[in-house]
Amino acid sequence: DVKVTQSSRYLVKRTGEKVFLECVQDMDHENMFWYRQDPGLGLRLIYFSYDVKMKEKGDIPEGYSVSREKKERFSLILESASTNQTSMYLCASGTSDSPLHFGNGTRLTVT
Amino acid sequence: GENVEQHPSTLSVQEGDSAVIKCTYSDSASNYFPWYKQELGKGPQLIIDIRSNVGEKKDQRIAVTLNKTAKHFSLHITETQPEDSAVYFCAASIRGYKLSFGAGTTVTVRA
Repeated sequence: DVKVTQSSRYLVKRTGEKVFLECVQDMDHENMFWYRQDPGLGLRLIYFSYDVKMKEKGDIPEGYSVSREKKERFSLILESASTNQTSMYLCASGTSDSPLHFGNGTRLTVT
Repeated sequence: GENVEQHPSTLSVQEGDSAVIKCTYSDSASNYFPWYKQELGKGPQLIIDIRSNVGEKKDQRIAVTLNKTAKHFSLHITETQPEDSAVYFCAASIRGYKLSFGAGTTVTVRA
């Protein structure tokens, strides 16, 4: 069974802090994704990566960056957290031939 | 990019009745349409998917239909049970892995 693990279920950070959200998958998937989930807006793609050290912007990349140094790990970075980045963050992995598998999410609150 | 609209946003059904959720997409090049179910505190999980060369697909009490001409697809759940209560998301993609999601439908099954 595919497992996508997000390091934290809940995070509370202050405005201006640098925040790291970590995600690890155990199925050797090439592709990894970071989505943000907000009520009434569904899941919106922030960034994705199709290979180590490769990244592409999604629909809402502003205020975020990512890092993929190893195939199994994909990190989302908020350089300077703001209150409008309070949200649920979902990591996913997959291949071009398989469905996406999601982690259980990290609920981030920025105060 | 792809735009996916999903209706209704909430749906309440009596146990044993059917539930139908409808989605439309904007890009006629989209060729992969998955449906995800998200239970409280968990990440979305794939429940069924369909590709553009197929008009209908069934899996036990769940079915999905696709109308490429009209650019819409639907999820049908028959004989609903309390465990069907969840948030459901439709999605579409041109390439098999970069999904655009609808805003979600909260389904409540009344006992």
